[in-house]
This record gives sequence, C-alpha cells and structure tokens, in this order.
Amino acid sequence: GESVGLHLPTLSVQEGDNSIINCAYSNSASDYFIWYKQESGKGPQFIIDIRSNMDKRQGQRVTVLLNKTVKHLSLQIAATQPGDSAVYFCAEKPGYSSASKIIFGSGTRLSIRP
Amino acid sequence: DTGVSQDPRHKITKRGQNVTFRCDPISEHNRLYWYRQTLGQGPEFLTYFQNEAQLEKSRLLSDRFSAERPKGSFSTLEIQRTEQGDSAMYLCASSLNQGPLGPDTQYFGPGTRLTVL
Repeated sequence: GESVGLHLPTLSVQEGDNSIINCAYSNSASDYFIWYKQESGKGPQFIIDIRSNMDKRQGQRVTVLLNKTVKHLSLQIAATQPGDSAVYFCAEKPGYSSASKIIFGSGTRLSIRP
Repeated sequence: DTGVSQDPRHKITKRGQNVTFRCDPISEHNRLYWYRQTLGQGPEFLTYFQNEAQLEKSRLLSDRFSAERPKGSFSTLEIQRTEQGDSAMYLCASSLNQGPLGPDTQYFGPGTRLTVL
C-alpha cells in the first residue's frame, strides 16, 4: 500500500452510526488480510482477520468484507462509539500460516462526532 | 499483562550515539518481528525471527542496525551511530507457529519512540 504521509484520509462519523472504512490492497497473491486499530502513542491492535478463501467474516461489532476481484477490503463498525476513534490500517500478508512480513496499507483516521 | 512488552517506551539520544531496544514477546510465541513506523505512515517491516534464527531482513535494515534473539525468547534491536533519519517508532510483534492450518497473527507491542537530536 502507498502511504499518504501526514495527511491520512479521515472519516467522520456520528456516534451511534455505522462506519465503513475501505482499503485497496496491492498483491493479488496475498492469502491473509488483517485490520489493525492504532490509538495515539500505542502499537497497532488486532481487530479482525480474513483469509483469501472467504469473502466475509464477522466479529463483535465489526465485519470485514473481501472482494478479490477488485482487490478491495472493507471494515464495517456497527454503532460507532467514542472509543473507536483511532487510525485504522488494513494489512496484507502473502502467507496465511507461514512466517512472513505484514504489508500495511495507508491508514484511515476515524473521528466520532458526539 | 501477558501482551508484547517493549523497553524503553521513549528514548532521546544525540546523533552518533548507539541505542538498544528490547522486546519481550507473548509467552510461547516463537516468531518475533520488528517494524519501524514514521509519523503518519503504516509500520514497515525490518526483520523477523523464528525461535533464535533471523530468517529475513529488509533492505531498510542498514548495516548500522542489528537484531538478536539469542535464546529464542526476548529480542534486542541495536542502532549504531544514530542519525536523525532514524527517529521513528520501533514496533515489535510476536506470533505463534500454529502449523499449516493456523494463521500467523501478529500481535504488536506498545513500541519504542526514538528521537535523535
């Protein structure tokens, strides 16, 4: 993924609404995709993952959708709360189970309006 | 707390000095990764270990950088003759080898923020 430098895309959402964060990944051979949440001054926190043989996976308040045809990944957060404010990174990994580096996409800053 | 821990959390040093960071992975995780993150960007891979073996190094890891994991548990990352461009957040992650059916899910520590003056 390409970095957008200091000017991260920003998504502003009303508290209680659903949030949808989109991401385009680069490698059609990637087998494993992960969403991370990063709050200011902290390390990335695992949210949810999906393997390339799936197109949807649900967690608690979060859903990840994978469209391999157009190399697109999205994260849906239901009933957005103030604690969801953070930068969200999509990430891809060539191997599902093998040890390999994670390639992070450009982050999206999610801000919550009261 | 049984997560990944890193020490120190912050380090300020003068250009030309050497610094060393430590990472303690989640207990029983045999894989350990180092990443670097600059402001406004996603983390970039530096290197990783499976047990004590260093298996891959990024081209970002110049000869001033060295990482070790001597006993297959904690790891250290040393930067010699620091430069202002080394200023960044250095992140450590660990994962458990679950065999071919399990994901290599990497869990990150809080990072060490390095500032080189």
